[in-house]
Amino acid sequence: GAVVSQHPSRVICKSGTSVKIECRSLDFQATTMFWYRQFPKQSLMLMATSNEGSKATYEQGVEKDKFLINHASLTLSTLTVTSAHPEDSSFYICSATQRQVVASNEQFFGPGTRLTVL
Amino acid sequence: AQSVTQPDIHITVSEGASLELRCNYSYGATPYLFWYVQSPGQGLQLLLKYFSGDTLVQGIKGFEAEFKRSQSSFNLRKPSVHWSDAAEYFCAVGTRLNAGNNRKLIWGLGTSLAVNP
Repeated sequence: GAVVSQHPSRVICKSGTSVKIECRSLDFQATTMFWYRQFPKQSLMLMATSNEGSKATYEQGVEKDKFLINHASLTLSTLTVTSAHPEDSSFYICSATQRQVVASNEQFFGPGTRLTVL
Repeated sequence: AQSVTQPDIHITVSEGASLELRCNYSYGATPYLFWYVQSPGQGLQLLLKYFSGDTLVQGIKGFEAEFKRSQSSFNLRKPSVHWSDAAEYFCAVGTRLNAGNNRKLIWGLGTSLAVNP
């Protein structure tokens, strides 16, 4: 149980284009979804937190117009990198917390999406 | 300031040897502590967590961790390492619930574990 999927697993795009990454909770309803960015050999950096039906809360220094997050349902959140540039190349990871397990707020992670902007 | 320190960037052990990965945290309240493992091509997997109670926590894959409040540590241990344990290990602290009833995770930089046959 508590499986999170991401699609695509890998994407290469040209500079200036937009890329959408999907994050789905497959067997549970996700109260909250988190989006992280991970640089090579580094830790995870939280980008934003999104609750279903609400606007995402972005961490300091993360451009909300650059990284658009939509959490339209309890099982799907999307991250769109708009007008991508090479410096946006990174590993993007989503996680979700289960609606029924609020107290621990354990996060279940997707496998990540490798974005390369040429 | 809230932070998590994993002093060892890279560790190499022989298969069958014991393992200890260090984690120190700085947090102003009772911490919620986690250890995650990240293998290539796979998502982060929770090894174990500490919220309260017994300070020695048992996890999956034969791992355990001990919470020591006096040392602000939550070190991960395994008595006998297997080649399949080679991966990146992350320690994290969960913050208090915020206004949105969410708990953020503050991450260490990770320890890369290599296992020699």
